[in-house]
Amino acid sequence: DAEITQSPRHKITETGRQVTLACHQTWNHNNMFWYRQDLGHGLRLIHYSYGVQDTNKGEVSDGYSVSRSNTEDLPLTLESAASSQTSVYFCASSETRGGWETQYFGPGTRLLVL
Amino acid sequence: DQQVKQNSPSLSVQEGRISILNCDYTNSMFDYFLWYKKYPAEGPTFLISISSIKDKNEDGRFTVFLNKSAKHLSLHIVPSQPGDSAVYFCAASYSGAGGTSYGKLTFGQGTILTVHP
Repeated sequence: DAEITQSPRHKITETGRQVTLACHQTWNHNNMFWYRQDLGHGLRLIHYSYGVQDTNKGEVSDGYSVSRSNTEDLPLTLESAASSQTSVYFCASSETRGGWETQYFGPGTRLLVL
Repeated sequence: DQQVKQNSPSLSVQEGRISILNCDYTNSMFDYFLWYKKYPAEGPTFLISISSIKDKNEDGRFTVFLNKSAKHLSLHIVPSQPGDSAVYFCAASYSGAGGTSYGKLTFGQGTILTVHP
């Protein structure tokens, strides 16, 4: 069955370290998204990609970067981790349907920055 | 500026009764709306959606109503079951000119639904 996976599921790191969160989907979807979930904010969009070599900034992109070298993967990098980036991170993907796409989410990565 | 709002942080209902979750939005460009359900330690799961050309969409026990003039949507769950206890997020997207927005979602804060046996 097609699916979307994230790794690691839990991560503890220190302030200033570079961290990369992996996202892999086997749906063959063109569109991929990264969100963070914080209490009181719902899910907020960090970065997104509409295809290979395409990346775009979302609502809360400062301190994060992504790259898209193939259809299946969109890794999220925290360049220099900060305590404010402690959160739960979700990756999602969708196929292109003229704007009315449904996104399907991975299980999430819980990140703690000490 | 919170473009999608769920003003009730929590809702408690009895098993078998109706659950009504509400969502308001401010951006009149939104034309596709979705509800997601989320259990602890899992990712959000798609539940039901509605496009702006409709005012109602039904799928089993779940019905979503859209009132465009009021910029309001609601999710009705009938009858409610204990397994429905979860966090419910509403989300909205804008298709863009010629469908070029590819469904970027703006989420509400979520409502915790508890269904008591």
